[in-house]
Amino acid sequence: EVQLVESGGGLVQPGGSLKLSCAASGFTFSDSAMHWVRQASGKGLEWVGRIRTKPNSYATAYAASVRGRFTISRDDSKNTAYLQMNSLKTEDTAVYYCISPGEGGAFDLWGQGTMVTVSS
Amino acid sequence: DIVMTQSPESLAVSPGERATITCKSSQSILYSSNNNNYLAWYQQKPGQPPKLLIYWASTRKSGVPDRFSGSGSGTDFTLTISSLQAEDVAVYFCQQYYSTPRTFGQGTKVEIK
Repeated sequence: EVQLVESGGGLVQPGGSLKLSCAASGFTFSDSAMHWVRQASGKGLEWVGRIRTKPNSYATAYAASVRGRFTISRDDSKNTAYLQMNSLKTEDTAVYYCISPGEGGAFDLWGQGTMVTVSS
Repeated sequence: DIVMTQSPESLAVSPGERATITCKSSQSILYSSNNNNYLAWYQQKPGQPPKLLIYWASTRKSGVPDRFSGSGSGTDFTLTISSLQAEDVAVYFCQQYYSTPRTFGQGTKVEIK
């Protein structure tokens, strides 16, 4: 079955860190760029960042709101992408989705999401 | 950054009637070398991740009912549900994937009247 499964969410204090994982199965993970998108409760969708494939030098890009605090990485041998989140703020509270784009780059395959709550 | 503006914020439509959502980008998302508009539409139901409905502005993803259609080019786009069904109640988002950062419209909530 083609799927993405996120894990690692939870409750963390402001200023803390958390690392999310996204396990892929059913497709050739190493051929796919991977994106992260977040959604605060009752709000819209905010793109967080992406990592490209090995032939594209694993290039990363980030939203301005997380640049310098969040880092995306991947381990193709484990079919897993990661989102390392440091210096967390209350406004980072959201459901975090990982995504594998389809043809041309539209967000075709989404995980179920993992909830991150930043609160004291 | 490309700003995506959707309208309306919400709409209520009677079953079987047409629902129309518009999306406007702050700059053209038509790539001249391949003549493709880098515009996608997503449907999100409560408690679920978004689901891709339409890509390249007008190409329906396999398995999506043909009552969903997308149109437009350049900066102005439309998602039409030709005959609203109860299961279409959801929030709909447009998104540009022409450039980084990827950006989404704010969403349109579709309800049954």
